[in-house]
Amino acid sequence: DVVMTQSPLSLPVTLGQAASIACRSSQSLVYVDGTTYLNWFHQRPGQSPRRLIYKVSNRDSGVPDRFSGSGSGTDFTLNIDRVEAEDVGLYYCMQGTHWPWTFGQGTKVEIK
Amino acid sequence: QVQLQESGPGLVKPSQTLSLTCTVSGGSVSSGPFYWSWIRQPAGKELESIGHIYTSGSATYNPSLKSRVTISVDTSRNQFSLKLDSVTAADTAVYFCARFDRITMSAKYWGPGTRVTVSP
Repeated sequence: DVVMTQSPLSLPVTLGQAASIACRSSQSLVYVDGTTYLNWFHQRPGQSPRRLIYKVSNRDSGVPDRFSGSGSGTDFTLNIDRVEAEDVGLYYCMQGTHWPWTFGQGTKVEIK
Repeated sequence: QVQLQESGPGLVKPSQTLSLTCTVSGGSVSSGPFYWSWIRQPAGKELESIGHIYTSGSATYNPSLKSRVTISVDTSRNQFSLKLDSVTAADTAVYFCARFDRITMSAKYWGPGTRVTVSP
């Protein structure tokens, strides 16, 4: 299975400051069609994951533009420009290139 | 707006079969191309793909669970189901159903999740 490794696992941030989460895959996530199926999700306690970013850098509708994704191959990053209180929770990267689809361990974002 | 809702017993005894159903509204399980999927999350752990059934009716399972899993679809009820045989405490988790799409190979639509505990 493709192992997705996130860092850091815990990220205390100050409101209004920027935050960055890294995700590294054990294999290239470039599919045979040239597309990279790397996604980011946000999960609050007791809720299901909410997709923020798909195919590396595409924001879902309704997702604030302070969220952005970047990367290629095996190294990817989720950036939050100005953290707001509603951004707390767990963030997961997930690859849909290789079966079984796999998720990272999660990064817990909390307010300092 | 597509909505998914899991249902099934919250408690299953060891060695028995875990059975869950996902009811889809606002869309058809026959439409596609979608992967109607089951994902689980043990407490404090990462999400794990269990398997999915494609619009065509073809099912694919995580090799780690393949010998124990069956996913099926009931188009007349607009539902798809999960059966996991011979459960142990390691199968205790929150189980989510979700709709993965072929364009993004990820899921925008998820059910709220249902907690299943395996215990005598």
